[in-house]
Formats: sequence, structure tokens, C-alpha cells
Amino acid sequence: DADVTQTPRNRITKTGKRIMLECSQTKGHDRMYWYRQDPGLGLRLIYYSFDVKDINKGEISDGYSVSRQAQAKFSLSLESAIPNQTALYFCATRTSAGTGNTEAFFGQGTRLTVV
Amino acid sequence: GNSVTQMEGPVTLSEEAFLTINCTYTATGYPSLFWYVQYPGEGLQLLLKATKADDKGSNKGFEATYRKETTSFHLEKGSVQVSDSAVYFCALSTGQSSGSARQLTFGSGTQLTVLP
Repeated sequence: DADVTQTPRNRITKTGKRIMLECSQTKGHDRMYWYRQDPGLGLRLIYYSFDVKDINKGEISDGYSVSRQAQAKFSLSLESAIPNQTALYFCATRTSAGTGNTEAFFGQGTRLTVV
Repeated sequence: GNSVTQMEGPVTLSEEAFLTINCTYTATGYPSLFWYVQYPGEGLQLLLKATKADDKGSNKGFEATYRKETTSFHLEKGSVQVSDSAVYFCALSTGQSSGSARQLTFGSGTQLTVLP
């Protein structure tokens, strides 16, 4: 089984609908992240969480919300989806141990299309 | 703030050609530097990393040297294979106590296609 699991893998939704993307991890990491990938723009950080009670906005949080239900679970919601939220979404985890040189582990991504 | 600049792609090479993908960065403090690779249909995975100046990270025939004087971390491989076709991301992280500074900052990615 994958260490970081994202569901669904693919989703098509209509404009204005609410949608939730889920992420779960078995790494035991305290830090979890949601990124969005668009062609030519790399990965942009939407939200990040350093533990269940610590949630922070990233560089492009508008139109998104998150919930850290447990250390292992971090969900991303689009309250009212719009077409420019069509993208590939990645969840990632990372340990807080060390001095910033630890690697991040990524899920396989969720391809979201808003029509 | 922190930023990473990668050479724009796409890059198309013939098998056994030499590969260089340029990466430069700006950062406060002393960053750790990473190269991630994304194969088609998959998430990112760590390819190599270097945590201090003059360190060389290497894996699967790829190498990158942390050059503090030029703030660079260029990815190289002497002889690419078709199986190396993927998107490559340069990234950095600093060890500052500020939560935002501990995030990974990614470059825009470089698509590599290797033709047989």
C-alpha cells in the first residue's frame, strides 16, 4: 500500500459544487501539505498543517479550505468549485524532525476538472 | 523570501546524450536543496538532495552539486535513457524556526523527453 493515499484519483465536477479531496498517510509524519500543480507553474502551496491543531494558509488558499481530522488525515475542500480550479492536486507529508533537510512524500495526485 | 528558478523546458534528448537542467535559488539562511522527479501519472519522488555547500547529491546516475557561490544546484546525467523521461523539479527548504520557512519551495519543473 502507498504511504500517502489520495482519493479520488480523478474527478469531474460542475461549477458551484462543493467537493472534498482526501489524503491519508501511514508515514507517521506530523506535517501535511496540499499543493496544486498547473503546467508551467510548478507546485504551489494551498494549505499546510504542522499538527492537528495547527493549520496555515499557503500562497494560494483563496477558494479552498482544509480539515485535519487526525494526524494521518488531511482533507481539502472546494466550497464552490470554479473552472480555474481545474488542476492536479497533490498531498504531501514530511517529518518535523531535523533541520529542514528531510524529504517530502507525495501522494499520486488527484486530477480535478471543473466544468 | 525563498524562490527557485529552473530552466524552462521542454527538453528533448536522444538516448545516451548528456543532460543538464539548470537550477538557481534565492533563500534566507542556509537551505537544503532537492531534486524531485515526477514520472507520468505519478506523484513526486525524491531523486537526490544536498544539505550544505559543496555537497554532491547523486542517485540513479544523476548528480547535482550545491554551489553556494553561484546559488545553483544544476542536475546532470552523463547518459540519459528513455526511462528518464519525466518532469524534474528543483526545490529548497531552510531550517529556520519560522513555520513558513520550513516549507519546500519548488521550481516550475522541467519536462524531459528522451527519444530512442
